[in-house]
Amino acid sequence: GAGVSQSPSNKVTEKGKDVELRCDPISGHTALYWYRQRLGQGLEFLIYFQGNSAPDKSGLPSDRFSAERTGESVSTLTIQRTQQEDSAVYLCASSFTPGQGEAFFGQGTRLTVV
Amino acid sequence: QKEVEQDPGPLSVPEGAIVSLNCTYSNSAFQYFMWYRQYSRKGPELLMYTYSSGNKEDGRFTAQVDKSSKYISLFIRDSQPSDSATYLCAMSARNPASKIIFGSGTRLSIRP
Repeated sequence: GAGVSQSPSNKVTEKGKDVELRCDPISGHTALYWYRQRLGQGLEFLIYFQGNSAPDKSGLPSDRFSAERTGESVSTLTIQRTQQEDSAVYLCASSFTPGQGEAFFGQGTRLTVV
Repeated sequence: QKEVEQDPGPLSVPEGAIVSLNCTYSNSAFQYFMWYRQYSRKGPELLMYTYSSGNKEDGRFTAQVDKSSKYISLFIRDSQPSDSATYLCAMSARNPASKIIFGSGTRLSIRP
């Protein structure tokens, strides 16, 4: 597609359930980023995939959070045993060259944990 | 201390005014500097992208980077109500390639 695509756009889940969020980056983009944005807040870095190198997982807040990426395509962010504080918009971005910063964002997945 | 500091605002100016938005940073390794615009309930949209120091102009928008002061700015000329949004500065390092770090965003409102 022409842009970064995220699904689902909205997700409501019960506390304690696992959720999977999906990101389809722009074709040919080797770098992929996940961020979390709480209501009225800035972007909190979660994880960064950079081509064939090991991902930078330094932003994952706990071991309940994990992410995978298949080659240079789709990425999945998984949150296990969701908590109410996980409620936020999860944003994915991709860029052509790792570290060059010109990243393009999807519209995000709005996660609500009830 | 955060790596990137940005005044959250809100900032309210009349239509037609010149707007100045700023960020400071602490990591001297940053070489790529970006400004994103985010409308309510939307993903951030890349506005300006600058490598290293200097100025870059695109229409009504001018981005400035002063690496010696670790200070970046975005100027909006002839501001319009449609410019009302949250503006996020962002930056990353080159070698080694690094994640992009964002400021907390400044909420801007342009009054008609």
